[in-house]
Amino acid sequence: EPEVTQTPSHQVTQMGQEVILRCVPISNHLYFYWYRQILGQKVEFLVSFYNNEISEKSEIFDDQFSVERPDGSNFTLKIRSTKLEDSAMYFCASSVYGETQYFGPGTRLLVL
Amino acid sequence: GENVEQHPSTLSVQEGDSAVIKCTYSDSASNYFPWYKQELGKRPQLIIDIRSNVGEKKDQRIAVTLNKTAKHFSLHITETQPEDSAVYFCAAFMDSNYQLIWGAGTKLIIKP
Repeated sequence: EPEVTQTPSHQVTQMGQEVILRCVPISNHLYFYWYRQILGQKVEFLVSFYNNEISEKSEIFDDQFSVERPDGSNFTLKIRSTKLEDSAMYFCASSVYGETQYFGPGTRLLVL
Repeated sequence: GENVEQHPSTLSVQEGDSAVIKCTYSDSASNYFPWYKQELGKRPQLIIDIRSNVGEKKDQRIAVTLNKTAKHFSLHITETQPEDSAVYFCAAFMDSNYQLIWGAGTKLIIKP
């Protein structure tokens, strides 16, 4: 059964550095998402992406964040200048029609 | 915007007993309600979902009910087993903005 994959599984970075989190959605899916989950808390929506553009973004998704689908398979989340409070698990998800979303295994980001 | 409330935050039940987790949502335009199970350190996994044109859905030991008038939906797990121990999240989705808004989660503990 196809699954969403994410790399890296863990990322440690210094405050102020840029990070890029990568995702490979399920191949026939058309909608892509990024979520974050701070340890022990709920999953928070960051951004949705469809037809090569952002369709919705949350308040969390400020100018420090960007997403890209550079080729037919990868979907990336870039944080330009990381802050301590960006430390969280970041999940990518994909969906055929937008509703039923399948999640990747996540990238645990630690900002020091 | 949409807000999802989930109760209880922790639920402890004896193995073999039933567990019920309840969620309420605020926006009547929400039309799709998935439930995710998240084991420690793992991705959220979709376990069951329901659309707004359906009142109840069952899959083996798991069932979900939806009351559109009251804007609440519930997850029912019967004959609980140790492997049911996890955090369960409800969510509400609107196809107008493709956002999945999550509840805060319920930690389900199955006592042997």
